[in-house]
Amino acid sequence: GQQLNQSPQSMFIQEGEDVSMNCTSSSIFNTWLWYKQDPGEGPVLLIALYKAGELTSNGRLTAQFGITRKDSFLNISASIPSDVGIYFCAGRNNAGNMLTFGGGTRLMVKP
Amino acid sequence: DSGVTQTPKHLITATGQRVTLRCSPRSGDLSVYWYQQSLDQGLQFLIQYYNGEERAKGNILERFSAQQFPDLHSELNLSSLELGDSALYFCASSADLAGELFFGEGSRLTVL
Repeated sequence: GQQLNQSPQSMFIQEGEDVSMNCTSSSIFNTWLWYKQDPGEGPVLLIALYKAGELTSNGRLTAQFGITRKDSFLNISASIPSDVGIYFCAGRNNAGNMLTFGGGTRLMVKP
Repeated sequence: DSGVTQTPKHLITATGQRVTLRCSPRSGDLSVYWYQQSLDQGLQFLIQYYNGEERAKGNILERFSAQQFPDLHSELNLSSLELGDSALYFCASSADLAGELFFGEGSRLTVL
């Protein structure tokens, strides 16, 4: 089946630093979604991308749909303590049905 | 608040028992998904329903089953529970087959 490789698995950064994480796939996707999960909560949708090359921002978050359609990136600028959590990428292929999730990036921010 | 409601929030039971987890999707959403998340792990897709019919199946054990009712709520049944079934079980819904998923807050199952 399809697999999404998300990296890094974890990051421990200083407050104020920028963060970058990515997902890569062996398959082409036509939708990329980025979610954040706070401890003990359900994942919350941050950004949705529908077009190759698309660059979308949501506050301090910016995500890009890779030109090859096999990857996506999420950047967080000027991190703050409440950015702590697990970030998941998810991709949907041309069949349109299945959404495949990456393994997550655990972000820890030191005040 | 995503609009997806899951009950119960917490459930503690014993090995060999059977439990039912319930999910009410967002108003108007036709598709319901179930995911399992073990401690510090990713989201494992279990099963998807669309307008009452099963649409996709992931790594769902034979001891587990689900259904979506005419009012679009869904139930996930877990039977012959084992210690390893302890996990967070999330329900998500989307408007259609290709829409964005919105997750509930999860049901935390502990099997002792």
